Amino acid sequence: EVVLTQSPGTLSLSPGQRATLSCRASQSVGNYLAWYQQRPGQAPSLLIYGASRRVTGIPDRFSGIGSGTDFTLTISRLEPEDFAMYFCQQYNNIPRTFGQGTKVEIK
Amino acid sequence: QVQLQESGPGLVKPSETLSLTCTVSGGSISNYYWSWIRQPPGKPLEWIGFVYYTGSTRYNPSLQSRVTISLDTSRNHFSLRLTSVTAADTAVYFCASRAYNGFDSPYDYWGQGALVTVSS
Repeated sequence: EVVLTQSPGTLSLSPGQRATLSCRASQSVGNYLAWYQQRPGQAPSLLIYGASRRVTGIPDRFSGIGSGTDFTLTISRLEPEDFAMYFCQQYNNIPRTFGQGTKVEIK
Repeated sequence: QVQLQESGPGLVKPSETLSLTCTVSGGSISNYYWSWIRQPPGKPLEWIGFVYYTGSTRYNPSLQSRVTISLDTSRNHFSLRLTSVTAADTAVYFCASRAYNGFDSPYDYWGQGALVTVSS
């Protein structure tokens, strides 16, 4: 199965700062990579699919880039509601797999 | 707007069968893929599998011998059965679906999640 490794595990930043999250796949997944945000006690919410396509209604401060094995989610200027857990997911292979997550916390 | 809602027992005894149902509202189950994903407490998400509206299924190989996902089009819901459960199956179970045909992922719609604890 494709293992997705996210880094860092935790990102401590202040509102207004830029967040850069990484997701690395153990083998190529093409551009079949999605990013989700999950707040405590809630279901994940889809942000990005196809590595770089923003879901309708997601603010443009969220952007994704990458293909193959290396992917990045950038939040250009953190808003208070952006402090949450972020997961990547690949959907190129069965089983679908998720990364272990990056927690973006307030510094 | 499609909405998903999980239901089922919150406590299951070891070695017994976990059964959950996901009721779909705002859309017909007679289309698209319908998936189950779980999240053990404090851990990452784990894909369990999906059922296509035709009834075809794919499962995570790590669970394949114990899992069944099925559709009930008359009730507009789909179900998860996981047999011979252990404490390692304790998790929040989510049902999820994609808004567009062609792929089961990624997931636009999620249920709120159902915590299932395996304990005697």
